Amino acid sequence: ETVMTQSPATLSVSPGERATLSCRASQSVSTKLAWYQQKPGQAPRLLIYDASTRATGIPARFSGGGSGTDFTLTISSLQSEDFAVYYCQQYNGWPPLYTFGQGTKLEIK
Amino acid sequence: EVQLVESGGGLVQPGGSLRLSCEVSGFIFSSYWMTWLRQAPGKGPEWVATIAHDGSNIYFVDSVKGRFTISRDNAKNSLYLQMNSLRAEDTAVYYCAREAHSKFEYWGQGTLVTVSP
Repeated sequence: ETVMTQSPATLSVSPGERATLSCRASQSVSTKLAWYQQKPGQAPRLLIYDASTRATGIPARFSGGGSGTDFTLTISSLQSEDFAVYYCQQYNGWPPLYTFGQGTKLEIK
Repeated sequence: EVQLVESGGGLVQPGGSLRLSCEVSGFIFSSYWMTWLRQAPGKGPEWVATIAHDGSNIYFVDSVKGRFTISRDNAKNSLYLQMNSLRAEDTAVYYCAREAHSKFEYWGQGTLVTVSP
């Protein structure tokens, strides 16, 4: 099983500033990596897939990067609606054994 | 508009059973692989099971193999999760999701399953 580790657990950033979230895989997942945003009481929402491709309707201020074992999600200029918990998910390999990170909570500084 | 609506959650004793349902609309259900995921309180999501568009391929996380069954009725636009021999560690919000090349692009609102004496 590929273990996904996210850091930091909590990130405090001011609105308008840049936020960078990290995700590390215990073994290479190539670029088979997605990012999700989850707000309280809601289901996760797909933001990024294939490490760097924005999902439909996702603003350009969200960008993803990385390959192999190290990945980042960057939010270029934080808006109030961006404060949430973010999860990474790997989907490398077959048969499927998809795994998620434990999440990074992005909070207002 | 794509919609997924789960139902069937509730409180069940350890060793008990529940059947979750997910009714979908807004897309051609029979064309998509579908997945159940769960999220325990304060934890990240966990993939539970996936079923191919025609039911021909089914996959489970090891912790539920032999206890859970996933199925679908394409005529009814519905996905199901039969959960038997439930344990305390199965307590979570269960989500159904539409899968696209191993990403979960649409999720339902979730249904809470609580396993407790």
